[in-house]
Amino acid sequence: AQSVTQLDSQVPVFEEAPVELRCNYSSSVSVYLFWYVQYPNQGLQLLLKYLSGSTLVKGINGFEAEFNKSQTSFHLRKPSVHISDTAEYFCAVSQRGSGNTGKLIFGQGTTLQVKP
Amino acid sequence: DVKVTQSSRYLVKRTGEKVFLECVQDMDHENMFWYRQDPGLGLRLIYFSYDVKMKEKGDIPEGYSVSREKKERFSLILESASTNQTSMYLCASSLLQGTPNQPQHFGDGTRLSIL
Repeated sequence: AQSVTQLDSQVPVFEEAPVELRCNYSSSVSVYLFWYVQYPNQGLQLLLKYLSGSTLVKGINGFEAEFNKSQTSFHLRKPSVHISDTAEYFCAVSQRGSGNTGKLIFGQGTTLQVKP
Repeated sequence: DVKVTQSSRYLVKRTGEKVFLECVQDMDHENMFWYRQDPGLGLRLIYFSYDVKMKEKGDIPEGYSVSREKKERFSLILESASTNQTSMYLCASSLLQGTPNQPQHFGDGTRLSIL
């Protein structure tokens, strides 16, 4: 079984400052890793995903994330945030291999609040 | 672009009613999912389906059922609505069973209130 923990429920930050949203996971098997964003009154959309290869993954809107296998982490970063980045961010995992069904396990979510 | 459409953005029902939430996707995806989203709990999977007439329970199926008669449509049914089912419900779809690198595409959600 897998589980995902997002370490911060809310992250307030000023515009143009850097931000890191933290995600740790637990799994007895190898996983794929995802970050989704949910803007107010909308569904979720994919920011980025880690499948294999380079541990630094770049996504849309200037976000990137780094997979750290030894620490079982997949933290999301942006060097300079904008007001429009205010949203809820979800980390998710899915199981690799023949046991996979396409299901995602989500973290609890982190609300990013960008202040002017 | 993939479009996942949920029939209602807001819905108000009474306890004991049978409630239907409808979801349609237009990209011929095999997988479809129903989630419930509550503050501090993230998204929890209720049911999913990887083919017409096929369904599997997720993490919180109690009090819910689903129907998938056509590939593009996946319905969530609250058999007898209760106040603890007041929540945001999200539908998603993805391409092909067994290919987890395919992202899930989400609808805009239905905010359901049970009075």
